[in-house]
Amino acid sequence: DAGVIQSPRHEVTEMGQEVTLRCKPISGHNSLFWYRQTMMRGLELLIYFNNNVPIDDSGMPEDRFSAKMPNASFSTLKIQPSEPRDSAVYFCASSPNQDQPQHFGDGTRLSIL
Amino acid sequence: QKEVEQDPGPLSVPEGAIVSLNCTYSNSAFQYFMWYRQYSRKGPELLMYTYSSGNKEDGRFTAQVDKSSKYISLFIRDSQPSDSATYLCAMSAPGGYQKVTFGIGTKLQVIP
Repeated sequence: DAGVIQSPRHEVTEMGQEVTLRCKPISGHNSLFWYRQTMMRGLELLIYFNNNVPIDDSGMPEDRFSAKMPNASFSTLKIQPSEPRDSAVYFCASSPNQDQPQHFGDGTRLSIL
Repeated sequence: QKEVEQDPGPLSVPEGAIVSLNCTYSNSAFQYFMWYRQYSRKGPELLMYTYSSGNKEDGRFTAQVDKSSKYISLFIRDSQPSDSATYLCAMSAPGGYQKVTFGIGTKLQVIP
């Protein structure tokens, strides 16, 4: 079975550019999560969706970050404009429902120069 | 103070040893507890999950939850070099496995 698929796996871009990260959840999973992982802060929840609807975005660092889920099989996390402090590994995860734990993709390693 | 405390290690053990990994937490509302394993440059992989207190065993892995002490553990028996990874504890409050708080992760190295 295909797991959570993220693209791109690596992204290097210059400060000020727009960055778009993409995620395809596991088929049939109704919940989708975006996380950021850094050495200093570990894994932090940014936002999550249930049935394509954003439920909690309190972890989104600031207005430069936005996330959408236009359908059950696709979500994006956008950073505009990007800054060097946004450099991190961004993970997407999905779960069948709130009573089941999450399964993670392999992440996008983002470097902002 | 962080809600979930976990020693980042590294923890080095010889092959075959019993490994004990631990987390403490401060939020008494946490009821769902998970352990994830993360290999270098990969995503976290779910190892075990449990609701409320007690023990759960799966092969060489045993998870324990002591809610009275706000302390959870993962034991690995007969550790193998392939167990070398970072182990993250995770937990969430009532409402299910949605708004999860992770520990920083403990890096484990099993020496052949």
